[in-house]
Amino acid sequence: EVQLVESGGGLVKPGESLRLSCAASGFTFRTYAMNWVRQAPGKGLEWVSSINFSSSDIYYADSVRGRFTISRDNAKNSLYLQMNSLRAEDTAIYYCARLSGNWESDHWGQGTLVTVSS
Amino acid sequence: DIQMTQSPSTLSASVGDKVTITCRASQTISNYLAWYQQKPGKAPKLLIYKASSLESGVPSRFSGSGSGTEFTLTISSLQSDDFGTYYCQQYFTYLLTFGGGTKVDIK
Repeated sequence: EVQLVESGGGLVKPGESLRLSCAASGFTFRTYAMNWVRQAPGKGLEWVSSINFSSSDIYYADSVRGRFTISRDNAKNSLYLQMNSLRAEDTAIYYCARLSGNWESDHWGQGTLVTVSS
Repeated sequence: DIQMTQSPSTLSASVGDKVTITCRASQTISNYLAWYQQKPGKAPKLLIYKASSLESGVPSRFSGSGSGTEFTLTISSLQSDDFGTYYCQQYFTYLLTFGGGTKVDIK
């Protein structure tokens, strides 16, 4: 069974940093692209960033480019999101999701809440 | 970036009704479109990929159609478990974008 478990969320002040992790199991992690999607309270889904299986191709939404860094460790079956210079508008539940061969998100974690507030 | 526009934003329907949700892309995306269902407090769930392919385990009352810029998600006979918010997403470009969502309530 595919499982994705996010961790690392919490309450931080504007300008601070946070690192999210996503532990993957139940599939061959090193062969799949992965992405992060977020959802602000009461709002819709917003794609944040994607990384291919080998980390050679990485993409970011304009809203986070230059502040967030996606990475992965295939030996540890883990996906990460380093978030710097956090802003109030980054407050959201952050989901990691597996990307299928066609790049739709076919499995999702339960999400981790990031709150940016002074 | 490609903009995705869903309509309606909310709908209320009765059990057994046929329900149709529309998603329009700001430029052609071929058939690189997915539909997701999200229930309150839960992660999204993939329903349809490549515009019309049904994800494994998803009931056959869900179907998708369209190509280019206009797409539809149809629920042929609405069930009580189908409440939630439905999102389309394009993956024609690597800068993925979601529609704003359609909230479905059961009357």
